[in-house]
Order: sequence, then structure tokens, then C-alpha cells
Amino acid sequence: GQNIDQPTEMTATEGAIVQINCTYQTSGFNGLFWYQQHAGEAPTFLSYNVLDGLEEKGRFSSFLSRSKGYSYLLLKELQMKDSASYLCAVRDPGNYQLIWGAGTKLIIKP
Amino acid sequence: GAGVSQSPSNKVTEKGKDVELRCDPISGHTALYWYRQSLGQGLEFLIYFQGNSAPDKSGLPSDRFSAERTGGSVSTLTIQRTQQEDSAVYLCASSFIPADEQFFGPGTRLTVL
Repeated sequence: GQNIDQPTEMTATEGAIVQINCTYQTSGFNGLFWYQQHAGEAPTFLSYNVLDGLEEKGRFSSFLSRSKGYSYLLLKELQMKDSASYLCAVRDPGNYQLIWGAGTKLIIKP
Repeated sequence: GAGVSQSPSNKVTEKGKDVELRCDPISGHTALYWYRQSLGQGLEFLIYFQGNSAPDKSGLPSDRFSAERTGGSVSTLTIQRTQQEDSAVYLCASSFIPADEQFFGPGTRLTVL
């Protein structure tokens, strides 16, 4: 079956660093995506990893290990506006369908 | 417009009625996706279009659900004889080609009473 796991909720402090983990077990793999979703809004694209290693984009970085079925999203210098849900998704190589985790709700405290 | 648009933004209907949800993808995007997001749940894939054809309808929950896309652009998702369990946010996304990142619309919140 297809399974993507993320923590349900995390809390962090403004200005700090937080790491959101995602593990996956899927029948195929054609890349892993991270999206941000503020309450009541559509998901917005953050990052894409298809090869092992770290991709850095400003305050956000994403890491992938295909052999371990593992990814993380690292958020630095946290701001209050980073309070949102972070969705991990794996792309199926057959139909490009995104298989989604349930999302991690990140709460930022002052 | 520059982004994916969906209408209506909210729809309240009575059990047993039919509803039609609309998605306008970003101009030039060939791939279009429909997802459903229930409260506190991850996104659930419904159907994917490449151009006007739907190579993958595997996610449609029942034969009450159907979708079409015309002119390689606008898509409509139709739910017949709605049930309370159909209540969810229905999200549409498009991408330039299937291998690209998907851009999401704001969604349609469907409530079936």
C-alpha cells in the first residue's frame, strides 16, 4: 500500500529552527514535494526533491534519503507567519499523482 | 487571471441533490488534478486530466462522481445524489506538464446537509 507519515502537530518558538519529518512507503517514487497550507487557503509549493541530499531555498531547506524513505523540511529563523500546515507528498511515477501525508500543523509561539 | 480559480467558493446543498464544481486552470497548463480534503485529513486524489482526457480516474470514490474537461482548459466535477460524507473542500490544481509542480486553486467548500 501507499503510506506517508508526518507528525500531526509541532510547536516552535519565533526565531528558532524546526525540522518536520516525513517517512514514506510507496510502490513507486518520482520525487517528493513539500507544500505549505495556511488555514482555509490552498496549498502552496515549497520544495521538490528527487535526488538524495539537501535542497536549500532561503529560510527553508528540504532533505531526501530515498534508501531510507525519509525526508525532512527545515525551517530557520521562524516567523509568526510560518504558522501553517506542512504537507509532504510523493509523486507516483506512473500517473504523476501526488500521494499526500495528512500534514503537520506547525504552531509558532512568540 | 494568473492563478487557478475555482467556483463556487462555498456550496451548501441538501442530501440527494446534484452539484457541479468548476475549475479554471492556469492558461497553458496541460495537466489538471482534482483532490478532496476532509477536515483534518490529507489530500485525497480524485482524478487527473492530461489535455481533455482522463488517464486516471482511480480516485473517484463512487459512480456518483464524474468529471470532464473541455478545450484543454476548464474542468467540472459533478457529484450526483450528494451524501453527507461528500462534505469536504474540493481542490483543483494544474501544472504545465505532468512532471511539473502543481499550482492549487482556493478550493470549493462543499457542505451537504
